[in-house]
Amino acid sequence: NAGVTQTPKFQVLKTGQSMTLQCAQDMNHEYMSWYRQDPGMGLRLIHYSVGAGITDQGEVPNGYNVSRSTTEDFPLRLLSAAPSQTSVYFCASSYAGTGDSPLHFGNGTRLTVT
Amino acid sequence: GIQVEQSPPDLILQEGANSTLRCNFSDSVNNLQWFHQNPWGQLINLFYIPSGTKQNGRLSATTVATERYSLLYISSSQTTDSGVYFCAVETGSSGSARQLTFGSGTQLTVLP
Repeated sequence: NAGVTQTPKFQVLKTGQSMTLQCAQDMNHEYMSWYRQDPGMGLRLIHYSVGAGITDQGEVPNGYNVSRSTTEDFPLRLLSAAPSQTSVYFCASSYAGTGDSPLHFGNGTRLTVT
Repeated sequence: GIQVEQSPPDLILQEGANSTLRCNFSDSVNNLQWFHQNPWGQLINLFYIPSGTKQNGRLSATTVATERYSLLYISSSQTTDSGVYFCAVETGSSGSARQLTFGSGTQLTVLP
């Protein structure tokens, strides 16, 4: 059982470049989300999705796009990378309903924008 | 938005010692989760605990939602317990979305 898989693990971009961070889960979770983690801070929610075709903004959505065409995949797109987007990005998933639904995280993507 | 405060920010223990980590939150929440981020950066869910007490081995957690706090207890600490412990609270419409707000974490170092 792979859980939540993120690729790539590391990425270096130049300012203005675009890229897509991939996230896939094999637990049939309805809910998927992207967080960024900056030094000395907790995680901040970028975007989330409660099912295929449904996405919404979190706390820090500017500069990022998402789509959810399948239950399994939730890619995060950086349209024009900026140094302020240097961070560690985590994808997470869980069941969406009420009840015991712990959040499962991928191993993260460390992104540096120069 | 909701504020989540964790204390202490840093904690250094000798192996075998016990510790209590605290999470205070400023408003009503749907649930609360505790996570451990190990030194390699992996985030592991420890507890999903909207209220009451749960135990898992040497770790236990208690959430008193009416008083807006949660406690994580670590007993007989081991060096592998080192890392950052985060609590995260869920707001938003119950059952419709999971909007977790994270605290800034407690950095735990367990010395051999």
